Amino acid sequence: AAGVIQSPRHLIKEKRETATLKCYPIPRHDTVYWYQQGPGQDPQFLISFYEKMQSDKGSIPDRFSAQQFSDYHSELNMSSLELGDSALYFCASSRRTGGEETQYFGPGTRLLVL
Amino acid sequence: AQSVTQLGSHVSVSEGALVLLRCNYSSSVPPYLFWYVQYPNQGLQLLLKYTTGATLVKGINGFEAEFKKSETSFHLTKPSAHMSDAAEYFCLISNFGNEKLTFGTGTRLTIIP
Repeated sequence: AAGVIQSPRHLIKEKRETATLKCYPIPRHDTVYWYQQGPGQDPQFLISFYEKMQSDKGSIPDRFSAQQFSDYHSELNMSSLELGDSALYFCASSRRTGGEETQYFGPGTRLLVL
Repeated sequence: AQSVTQLGSHVSVSEGALVLLRCNYSSSVPPYLFWYVQYPNQGLQLLLKYTTGATLVKGINGFEAEFKKSETSFHLTKPSAHMSDAAEYFCLISNFGNEKLTFGTGTRLTIIP
């Protein structure tokens, strides 16, 4: 079965640079969620989109923005990167229409900021 | 606000022994509860979930969990541990209409040969 795809899997950036992370949800899923997992920490919710509209917002820095496109894939844009942004970024998708509550996670993008 | 508390950040059990990972939740509305497993350098994989209905839910790899409203608990168990069960386990909560997941702090399970 198709799973959530994230790209790139690994990314190395320097401070003050920008990064774009991509998430391709499972086909027919209409909702995308982004989570950030710092070293040794549990994942924290950043933001979610349902039918291309922002659905919920968590602890996402103002330097980050995200959107969901017409094909339901989502991109997380991170600017003015800081050392503390080094983390594993997970994307999850679900099919909210019909009330399915299960989120399926991608493998994550590991971002290292030097 | 919702939250989950996982008791024990590290749990070690012998191969073949019972696995018990504890999770207690706090929620003002009926919760949806999940257990996910994270293997090293991999994403999160759903083990099982409770939404409504039967309070004893069975998941993959022989795991099961029981929703106990009176105890606000959703402990994860497996009768006999296998070496391949070594991983980090997260208990998560959400509620319908506000589907963002709130994570517990995770429990790292080590299996002793």
